[in-house]
Amino acid sequence: DAGVIQSPRHEVTEMGQEVTLRCKPISGHDYLFWYRQTMMRGLELLIYFNNNVPIDDSGMPEDRFSAKMPNASFSTLKIQPSEPRDSAVYFCASSPGTGGVAGELFFGEGSRLTVL
Amino acid sequence: AQSVTQLDSQVPVFEEAPVELRCNYSSSVSVYLFWYVQYPNQGLQLLLKYLSGSTLVESINGFEAEFNKSQTSFHLRKPSVHISDTAEYFCAVSARMDSSYKLIFGSGTRLLVRP
Repeated sequence: DAGVIQSPRHEVTEMGQEVTLRCKPISGHDYLFWYRQTMMRGLELLIYFNNNVPIDDSGMPEDRFSAKMPNASFSTLKIQPSEPRDSAVYFCASSPGTGGVAGELFFGEGSRLTVL
Repeated sequence: AQSVTQLDSQVPVFEEAPVELRCNYSSSVSVYLFWYVQYPNQGLQLLLKYLSGSTLVESINGFEAEFNKSQTSFHLRKPSVHISDTAEYFCAVSARMDSSYKLIFGSGTRLLVRP
């Protein structure tokens, strides 16, 4: 399998612009997670989906952030409008059924976002 | 609520020396424990896990960790490190909260192996 695929790998944008990050999970995995990684705050869970349905979005920082999963093979994380403090590496991860919920996640290589 | 503490932000060590990366957790319910490794400019990869059974778990590249329930610890050890082990290591805890599981990561420990 190709693993979790994220795009773009790098994104540089100006404050106020809309940013869309994309993720293709591993085929057959029922769970999809979005994490944000910064030096100051470490790894933060933003939201996760089970069978395309959002289960816990308590980590989404503000209304400027939204995530969708229209089908089992695709998810997006959107920031609108973007701000410099959103600069971070955003990771998508997927996991299979029961065992995966317990913590066995497969991560993509991340999308490094820089907001100027 | 559960939490994970990695006391050491960075651990420098010489090649072929032993190393221990410390991880302590707190939780009011039974937990699953994990160590993930992150190499530069890459995502996290699962290194090893404790779900149940033997409290000593091993990875394919020589790392091991022992679940100690009384001390609420899950320290990661390797008897002899290589330059290629230089990476950031994250301890993680998963516990059932209401009707779902939540995976919480520690702040990470950067292992720096010097020749």
